[in-house]
Amino acid sequence: AQKITQTQPGMFVQEKEAVTLDCTYDTSDQSYGLFWYKQPSSGEMIFLIYQGSYDEQNATEGRYSLNFQKARKSANLVISASQLGDSAMYFCAKVPIDGQNFVFGPGTRLSVLP
Amino acid sequence: DTEVTQTPKHLVMGMTNKKSLKCEQHMGHRAMYWYKQKAKKPPELMFVYSYEKLSINESVPSRFSPECPNSSLLNLHLHALQPEDSALYLCASSQPGTGNTEAFFGQGTRLTVV
Repeated sequence: AQKITQTQPGMFVQEKEAVTLDCTYDTSDQSYGLFWYKQPSSGEMIFLIYQGSYDEQNATEGRYSLNFQKARKSANLVISASQLGDSAMYFCAKVPIDGQNFVFGPGTRLSVLP
Repeated sequence: DTEVTQTPKHLVMGMTNKKSLKCEQHMGHRAMYWYKQKAKKPPELMFVYSYEKLSINESVPSRFSPECPNSSLLNLHLHALQPEDSALYLCASSQPGTGNTEAFFGQGTRLTVV
């Protein structure tokens, strides 16, 4: 079975500083997609960033960037210039190339301190 | 319109009740999903519909019955639920066949079984 690991149950970061959230995964797939989602206390899952396993460059979306190391099977999320509104649960997810069955990691709760 | 709309937002039901959760999207996505999420846990896949056909059923008890009347709608019929079925139920949609498009999630239905 596919497994996604997020080793940090909780993280704290000072406002305006950068933070890295870890994600590693097991897979025998040759092609797959990796995603990060943010879930505030209200419950909705908000898409942040996507990385394809075949992409040679690390993905970036505004303050979010993905440190993708395919050989190590890791896809860490970097949030730059943290804001108070970034406080939420963050989930790493993987999907096979057929585009179905998003599998989520256990999540990391990020708290941004003023 | 990049929204997935779920109704109701909150639902309290007794163990002998029958109720339905509804999900709607108008993005032309042909894969729709039901996820169950317990507190402080990641979403767990329940069902996937691809082109209006049930393609994945993750061994969900028969008291949960999904239905996909058309490409925009997804229902989850509930009957004889147990208190442990209380959770956040998330609907999502995506484009099947490509692992490089994100799934869009609704805000979820918070279900309490009493």
